Amino acid sequence: GPKVLQIPSHQIIDMGQMVTLNCDPVSNHLYFYWYKQILGQQMEFLVNFYNGKVMEKSKLFKDQFSVERPDGSYFTLKIQPTALEDSAVYFCASSSRREVFFGKGTRLTVV
Amino acid sequence: GDSVTQTEGQVALSEEDFLTIHCNYSASGYPTLFWYVQYPGEGPQLLFRASRDKEKGSSRGFEATYDKGTTSFHLRKASVQESDSAVYYCALSDQGGSAKLIFGEGTKLTVSS
Repeated sequence: GPKVLQIPSHQIIDMGQMVTLNCDPVSNHLYFYWYKQILGQQMEFLVNFYNGKVMEKSKLFKDQFSVERPDGSYFTLKIQPTALEDSAVYFCASSSRREVFFGKGTRLTVV
Repeated sequence: GDSVTQTEGQVALSEEDFLTIHCNYSASGYPTLFWYVQYPGEGPQLLFRASRDKEKGSSRGFEATYDKGTTSFHLRKASVQESDSAVYYCALSDQGGSAKLIFGEGTKLTVSS
């Protein structure tokens, strides 16, 4: 079936540094999402993105977070600066309004 | 705000046992309901969805019926297999496929042979 690819699969970063998580969504999809999952806890919505704009964001989407998809390339989540509580698995998803497909996640460890 | 509650955090069964995972939701509108399955190292995969009261979703022997009266969407399977071991998430969306998904806490199913 359709694949959402996330790069890298695991990233370790020093607290205070910037990190960019990359997502290659399904090619004809128009809606893009980021979700956060702390180990052993439920998936939580961060943000969705359509037509070059953020449609909705949750209170977990702090001011240090930003998303973009320049020129139809990767859909990215940038965190600047990172904090210890940002350690989690971040899942990218894309949809065509019919079904949402998730990537395998990027495990971010902030030390 | 909208929310989803799954009663069972963990379920341990033997092969061929009957499975029930309870899911109740709270939403102001008329949400679409989903069951997702997540295997280790993978993202959630859609099992099935339902959009209307009394609609039954089903896939791979799993099924659930949308019940607006009891605000429930319980997952059932008559005979589980070891390969069904995974985490199952109930979720809702208030705008079909384009809006955010609100997930329950997840239920870890372990099936032993």
